[in-house]
Amino acid sequence: GQQLNQSPQSMFIQEGEDVSMNCTSSSIFNTWLWYKQEPGEGPVLLIALYKAGELTSNGRLTAQFGITRKDSFLNISASIPSDVGIYFCAGQYDGLTFGKGTHLIIQP
Amino acid sequence: EAQVTQNPRYLITVTGKKLTVTCSQNMNHEYMSWYRQDPGLGLRQIYYSMNVEVTDKGDVPEGYKVSRKEKRNFPLILESPSPNQTSLYFCASSLWASGRDEQFFGPGTRLTVL
Repeated sequence: GQQLNQSPQSMFIQEGEDVSMNCTSSSIFNTWLWYKQEPGEGPVLLIALYKAGELTSNGRLTAQFGITRKDSFLNISASIPSDVGIYFCAGQYDGLTFGKGTHLIIQP
Repeated sequence: EAQVTQNPRYLITVTGKKLTVTCSQNMNHEYMSWYRQDPGLGLRQIYYSMNVEVTDKGDVPEGYKVSRKEKRNFPLILESPSPNQTSLYFCASSLWASGRDEQFFGPGTRLTVL
């Protein structure tokens, strides 16, 4: 199946810092999705990207669909404690493939 | 409230004892799917269903069965569980299988097989 490389695996940052994470693949995708998972819960969709080059924001979150259709990034600006969780990218082509997640830990 | 429900939320069982994890959605979604989540491996798809009576293998189907007799329900069956099936399981649904709409996830079922 298709593989997604998500990095970094984990991030330890100070409250107020900006965060950046990305996913890359050797395969192309038609849709990129970014999910957040909090402890004891299932993933919740944050942002969906449908077109190569698309840049979409959702509050302090911004994500882009790479022009080659093989990558995507997610940025979080001015992080706050409730941003803590695991962030997953997912690419859709023939089914949905998930990255392994980025653990975000915020130190007050 | 629109939601995906799973039962049980936690289960400890022994090797070889058949079990079923139920999944139900109240959003009239066509597409339903099961994932397992393991440390360092992320979410991996076990089986999916594009509609009633239509099911297909995902990336890690070995040791699992599913059925889709009604649109709202998609149970996951482990006929003879083994310790390597100890994992966190998520059911998800979306309106269509195109991937261009949001997948809603259930709260998860933590399974331990001794």
